Amino acid sequence: EDQVTQSPEALRLQEGESSSLNCSYTVSGLRGLFWYRQDPGKGPEFLFTLYSAGEEKEKERLKATLTKKESFLHITAPKPEDSATYLCAVIQGAQKLVFGQGTRLTINP
Amino acid sequence: DSGVTQTPKHLITATGQRVTLRCSPRSGDLSVYWYQQSLDQGLQFLIQYYNGEERAKGNILERFSAQQFPDLHSELNLSSLELGDSALYFCASSVAGETYTGELFFGEGSRLTVL
Repeated sequence: EDQVTQSPEALRLQEGESSSLNCSYTVSGLRGLFWYRQDPGKGPEFLFTLYSAGEEKEKERLKATLTKKESFLHITAPKPEDSATYLCAVIQGAQKLVFGQGTRLTINP
Repeated sequence: DSGVTQTPKHLITATGQRVTLRCSPRSGDLSVYWYQQSLDQGLQFLIQYYNGEERAKGNILERFSAQQFPDLHSELNLSSLELGDSALYFCASSVAGETYTGELFFGEGSRLTVL
């Protein structure tokens, strides 16, 4: 069965301290890997779609990369407003996204 | 604001009861998805409707049912509620019938507490 595993479960950084979040996946025939951000009490918000190994996408302080087995979400010089849970997901079948458990990121000022 | 509206935001009810959660998708979106989020299970796909027709089914219990109406709003009905049904229920919408782009627009959720 398709699986998505995210690590670490939680990460606490100081403002300006860059780091990376990991999403490893096992899926037969990857058709897309997706990153979402979720703030407490809110619904997930779409960030990126990656389709093939080697692809990279950037948005402000975030950069997502994809290999054949995993994806990384790099956060450069984070700010407190980047604190959130970051979720990755893959497509299973034609219609549904399978989400990982998420990484809860806290940026301290 | 994603443009997806869910009501009610909070709901407290007792075991054995039945509730209905409502979702209005973004203007122009034909697909509606329901997800359940609990602390131990994460975000779990329940069901998808596209333009009024059921398109895909996930881990949805037989006690749960959903439908999408001609005006494209959707309702998720949960019956014979159990303590374990307490969770956040999210609705999401997208333009296309497939999730291939992976870009879903989520509402703010309905938090269900079963006592």
